[in-house]
Amino acid sequence: LAKTTQPISMDSYEGQEVNITCSHNNIATNDYITWYQQFPSQGPRFIIQGYKTKVTNEVASLFIPADRKSSTLSLPRVSLSDTAVYYCLVGAMDSNYQLIWGAGTKLIIKP
Amino acid sequence: DAGVTQSPTHLIKTRGQHVTLRCSPISGHKSVSWYQQVLGQGPQFIFQYYEKEERGRGNFPDRFSARQFPNYSSELNVNALLLGDSALYLCASSTRGNEKLFFGSGTQLSVL
Repeated sequence: LAKTTQPISMDSYEGQEVNITCSHNNIATNDYITWYQQFPSQGPRFIIQGYKTKVTNEVASLFIPADRKSSTLSLPRVSLSDTAVYYCLVGAMDSNYQLIWGAGTKLIIKP
Repeated sequence: DAGVTQSPTHLIKTRGQHVTLRCSPISGHKSVSWYQQVLGQGPQFIFQYYEKEERGRGNFPDRFSARQFPNYSSELNVNALLLGDSALYLCASSTRGNEKLFFGSGTQLSVL
């Protein structure tokens, strides 16, 4: 089972770009990288998913280098409402596969 | 469209009791997963069901059981509750597996 390592916490300011890096040295060939966001007392919310290179959607970008041993979630122009815990997950998309969730990165945005 | 709904939202039980938590997935989703989340930690996988069959089970004791019904809704049952079972129980639905999980707001279980 692929394990991920990400910073426990990060601080930034409103309007800044925030990059959260996740390392996953033993990622398997058929593994995807997925990021979720979670606010207190709520379930996690899907942010973005990718396999290689760069993926962008309306809320974030995901950068994956060629060796796929790490990935970076980029949040452009953050606001106070982006204060949350962010989880990096690595795993296959098969229904039998058990995703392993770490403790995530607690991101605090200051005014 | 309705999202994933879980009931009840909060529950208080005493040690040794039994609890049943319920989850209704997003319409069209055939896979339901259950997670336990203790304060300050990430969700921990308990079960995954797809098309009414158990497809995965995490490292939880046999006191934990679940099932999925023909309408794809699901129940999580926990017997002989322990203080350590106090947690937020999350249900997630998806079309087939782990491609994109949609979570409910969870059931906050307190065992006294």
